[in-house]
Amino acid sequence: AQSVTQLDSQVPVFEEAPVELRCNYSSSVSVYLFWYVQYPNQGLQLLLKYLSGSTLVKGINGFEAEFNKSQTSFHLRKPSVHISDTAEYFCAVSETGANNLFFGTGTRLTVIP
Amino acid sequence: EAQVTQNPRYLITVTGKKLTVTCSQNMNHEYMSWYRQDPGLGLRQIYYSMNVEVTDKGDVPEGYKVSRKEKRNFPLILESPSPNQTSLYFCASSVRQNYGYTFGSGTRLTVV
Repeated sequence: AQSVTQLDSQVPVFEEAPVELRCNYSSSVSVYLFWYVQYPNQGLQLLLKYLSGSTLVKGINGFEAEFNKSQTSFHLRKPSVHISDTAEYFCAVSETGANNLFFGTGTRLTVIP
Repeated sequence: EAQVTQNPRYLITVTGKKLTVTCSQNMNHEYMSWYRQDPGLGLRQIYYSMNVEVTDKGDVPEGYKVSRKEKRNFPLILESPSPNQTSLYFCASSVRQNYGYTFGSGTRLTVV
């Protein structure tokens, strides 16, 4: 069965420091991968997606993620975070041709001034 | 502005009283979906629709109904709400399957 694991439920980081939010998935077939961000009291916003091609994907707000098929991972990174990056981040995966999008349980990123 | 609009944003109701949460998108998207978000569980899909009159169950469909009579609207119906349906609900749409969703702002439902 397909599943998504976000290993860290909370990640505190100082402003202007780099951050990596980890995501691993389990699937035996080709997948599409997504990262979403949820700011307080708002819906989810698509940060970036991997559908095919280059394994390094750049998204909005300076975020990027790298698809590693052998490690079944899709970790999200930012070289220098801002206070405004404080939010909850969700990794999601869908098998190609499937109708469902499976979400991880989320990682709460807190940027400390 | 391209958006997914849900109403209401907040709703408190009593057990057994039928309710409908509306969802409308103005992007001419074919694919629409309902999710519920619960602490520690992430988002779980309730129902989805691939086009008008085409709907199917997601992971947690029990206690919910949907309809897709028009392309832009995808209401979520709770015929007899129960306290375990207290949750934050999101409607989402996509131009096509697996392309990336646009989410609504959410509906926080409390069933007492």
